[in-house]
Amino acid sequence: ETGVTQTPRHLVMGMTNKKSLKCEQHLGHNAMYWYKQSAKKPLELMFVYNFKEQTENNSVPSRFSPECPNSSHLFLHLHTLQPEDSALYLCASSQVGPGNQPQHFGDGTRLSIL
Amino acid sequence: GQQLNQSPQSMFIQEGEDVSMNCTSSSIFNTWLWYKQDPGEGPVLLIALYKAGELTSNGRLTAQFGITRKDSFLNISASIPSDVGIYFCAGQLGSGGSNYKLTFGKGTLLTMNP
Repeated sequence: ETGVTQTPRHLVMGMTNKKSLKCEQHLGHNAMYWYKQSAKKPLELMFVYNFKEQTENNSVPSRFSPECPNSSHLFLHLHTLQPEDSALYLCASSQVGPGNQPQHFGDGTRLSIL
Repeated sequence: GQQLNQSPQSMFIQEGEDVSMNCTSSSIFNTWLWYKQDPGEGPVLLIALYKAGELTSNGRLTAQFGITRKDSFLNISASIPSDVGIYFCAGQLGSGGSNYKLTFGKGTLLTMNP
């Protein structure tokens, strides 16, 4: 499925690096999401943007900083990460409101912190 | 917060077998979704259920929205090798306010004996 595209697919970084994850959706949706997926845990919702406004921040550490410049693009800026932040980071989008549509996911960025 | 119990956690099956898995919740949802995730990819939506009691099919997959709105079932008939993967259930309260957020189960890992 190419509706939600995430780059890069893999990222290895040191704890002092700064990097950004990018997500782009081509589905015309008005909401975008960042999730963290770790082994043997349910998907953890990190951030939600609805009509470009951040509507949810699930107690995510400040070393993760989201940015949503428009309804089609979402970024996750990373700095000073910890080894426990190694995980698959998934972006999703959906249509919220009348005609509510399910969330569609990208293929994720596999992040490894050295 | 809401929690979903998904079972079984894993299954070993033979090609041609029928498969059943389910999710139960401590509270009600108004939408149930089933996703499948293959290695190295993001979750892909299989079936969406919007009404209590609804039974919906997608090819060899059939899912049901429980009458109590606290559970859902997914059945796969005549399994084939490409059915291997992780299946996730997700519940959603609705579309207003924060009700569009999804609560995910931990997943059912389906593997096939060679």
